[in-house]
Amino acid sequence: RKEVEQDPGPFNVPEGATVAFNCTYSNSASQSFFWYRQDCRKEPKLLMSVYSSGNEDGRFTAQLNRASQYISLLIRDSKLSDSATYLCVVNVGFQKLVFGTGTRLLVSP
Amino acid sequence: NAGVTQTPKFQVLKTGQSMTLQCAQDMNHEYMSWYRQDPGMGLRLIHYSVGAGITDQGEVPNGYNVSRSTTEDFPLRLLSAAPSQTSVYFCASSYSRGPNTEAFFGQGTRLTVV
Repeated sequence: RKEVEQDPGPFNVPEGATVAFNCTYSNSASQSFFWYRQDCRKEPKLLMSVYSSGNEDGRFTAQLNRASQYISLLIRDSKLSDSATYLCVVNVGFQKLVFGTGTRLLVSP
Repeated sequence: NAGVTQTPKFQVLKTGQSMTLQCAQDMNHEYMSWYRQDPGMGLRLIHYSVGAGITDQGEVPNGYNVSRSTTEDFPLRLLSAAPSQTSVYFCASSYSRGPNTEAFFGQGTRLTVV
């Protein structure tokens, strides 16, 4: 079983749609959680950290359920520029990051 | 502010050749690491360093060596390249040991071993 699992997609949605991605992790000692965004042939960049209380950054909302070892990302009012691969990332200690394989999002006009 | 700089961006090697992938950061970050990204696998940790003079192995260290003689630089050496090492390599750095610290990535090196 992979340490961090994501649905690879692709998720094809029209502009303005709401889309949700899910991720599960297996290491119950994981310390912190993130969503990174990766554009085609580019490096990953931090989208947002994920906190137990849930957090929001504009159109993006992240949730963490430690009991179920489950992380989610909700994107509201999708834009064409949101098209990318979204990586679920878990810090297992000492800045050792474990990455999911990513979920690809395609937003169409 | 350059951030994390990787060189070269592209490289083709023949099986058995050796080479060094360079990584430098100008943010005075303690932590540096190397990942490889393969289709369907996600990024996997090769080696990491928690400071100058200190390195350790990640998930997939075989065939690679690292050293950290300065805070700024963290080169990755391929000792004898194999086709299985064809991949995209990313170097990353982060500031502190806090769990919510952001990792900054270089632009990647696309390596093909023939």
